[in-house]
Amino acid sequence: QVQLQESGPGLVKPSQTLSLICTVSGASVSSGTYYWSWVRQHPEKGLEWIGYIHYSGNTHYNPSLKSRVTISIDTSKNQFSLKLSSVTAADMAVYYCARDHRVTDALDVWGQGTMVTVSS
Amino acid sequence: AIQMTQSPSSLSASVGDRVTVTCRATQGIRNALGWYQQKPGKAPKLLIYAASSLQSGVPSRFSGSGSGTDFTLTISSLQPEDFATYYCLQHYNYPRSFGQGTKVEIK
Repeated sequence: QVQLQESGPGLVKPSQTLSLICTVSGASVSSGTYYWSWVRQHPEKGLEWIGYIHYSGNTHYNPSLKSRVTISIDTSKNQFSLKLSSVTAADMAVYYCARDHRVTDALDVWGQGTMVTVSS
Repeated sequence: AIQMTQSPSSLSASVGDRVTVTCRATQGIRNALGWYQQKPGKAPKLLIYAASSLQSGVPSRFSGSGSGTDFTLTISSLQPEDFATYYCLQHYNYPRSFGQGTKVEIK
C-alpha cells in the first residue's frame, strides 16, 4: 500500500522559508512512472496546484509561485521536498503531497496534509 | 492559464437522489480531466480520471463524462458517505488547475 506523509514546521515567520518533506512508503520515488507533486489548500478555500518533480530532476511549477518555489527529490531517502521562500499570510494553507501518475495524469495517492501557519 | 468553473457551488440532495456536477474549461482540454472527492479534514480522493475512467476501488455509482470544454460527474444514487466537496482538475496543460468545488449537502 502506497502512503505519503508530509512533515515539517507548522509555524513559519513572515519573510522566512517554508520547508516541507514528503516521505513515500510502498513505492519508489525513483519510478519513472510518476511525478511527485505538491498541492495546497487555503483555509475554507479550494485547491491550488504548486508543482511537481520527476526522479530525473525535471520540475514544473505554477507560474504564480515559480519565483519562490523549489521542489527537490532525495532518492536515497525516498522523499521529496517543498521550499517556498518569502512567505506571507497568503501562504497559510494545508499543504498536500501527492503522487501523479504519468499515464493517467491523475493525482492517485495523497498525503494527509499538513497545516502551515504564517505568523510572527 | 486554463480556468475551471464548476456548477453549482453547492447543492442539497437526499439519499438515493441522482446528482450531477458540471465543470467547464475556458478552452478545450480533450478528456484531460479528473474528479476528486474531499471530506472535511481529509485529503482529496481520486474518483475519475481521463474524464470517464473509474479509479480502482471507487463505487460504480460514480461516473464521469464529457470532452473538450464541458464535463459532468454523476452520482447515480447518493449514499450517506457521498456528502462531501467535489473538485475537477484539468491536466491538459500547465499549470494544472482545479475547479472551485461543489459541496454536496444533505437535504
